[in-house]
Amino acid sequence: EVQLLESGGGLVQPGGSLRLSCAASGFSFSSCAMSWVRQAPGKGLEWVSHISGGGGTTYYADSVKGRLTVSRDNSKNTLYLEMHSLRADDTAVYYCAKASGSGNQPFDSWGQGTLVTVSS
Amino acid sequence: SYVVTQPPSVSVAPGQTATITCGGNNIGSKSVHWSQQRPGQAPVVVIYYDRERPSGIPERFSGSNSNSGQTATLTISRVEAGDEADYYCQVWDSSSNQWVFGGGTKLTVL
Repeated sequence: EVQLLESGGGLVQPGGSLRLSCAASGFSFSSCAMSWVRQAPGKGLEWVSHISGGGGTTYYADSVKGRLTVSRDNSKNTLYLEMHSLRADDTAVYYCAKASGSGNQPFDSWGQGTLVTVSS
Repeated sequence: SYVVTQPPSVSVAPGQTATITCGGNNIGSKSVHWSQQRPGQAPVVVIYYDRERPSGIPERFSGSNSNSGQTATLTISRVEAGDEADYYCQVWDSSSNQWVFGGGTKLTVL
């Protein structure tokens, strides 16, 4: 059974930093691209970043370029999101999502999310 | 960047058919994927590659995307109370290398 477990969320001040993790199990992690998707309170889904199965290709939403960095450690079956220069509009539940292949295939599993709150 | 547009809300009586649209420029040339998000839960894919259903998704869920059209459609037949949720369409924009979500449609079962 595929399991994705996010962690690392919490309260951070504007301008601060945070690192999210997504521990994966139940599938061949290195064979699957992964994405981070966020959802602000009461709002819709917003894709944040994508990383290929091998980690060599990354893409970002315009709203986070230069501030958020996605990475993965395939030896630990873990996906990361480094977040810097955080702003109030980064407040959201952050989900990791597994793609059905190593590239831009659709998501077939989602984690339960971790809440990031940016506030003073 | 590419934009996809969904109606904010759709209402339907139990047993009837719900139709949720996803509009975009030449969307027929893209693969459209649909996710369901019940209140307080993570999203679940219900249709991928325009019309394919993942295992475990009822046959009542179907999708279409005309090669010549500007709209993809998610159709839910014989709607049940448990179908009440937010539905999102999603496409890959190859020009910007970004995933794009529609704004979501809240399905209300009357």
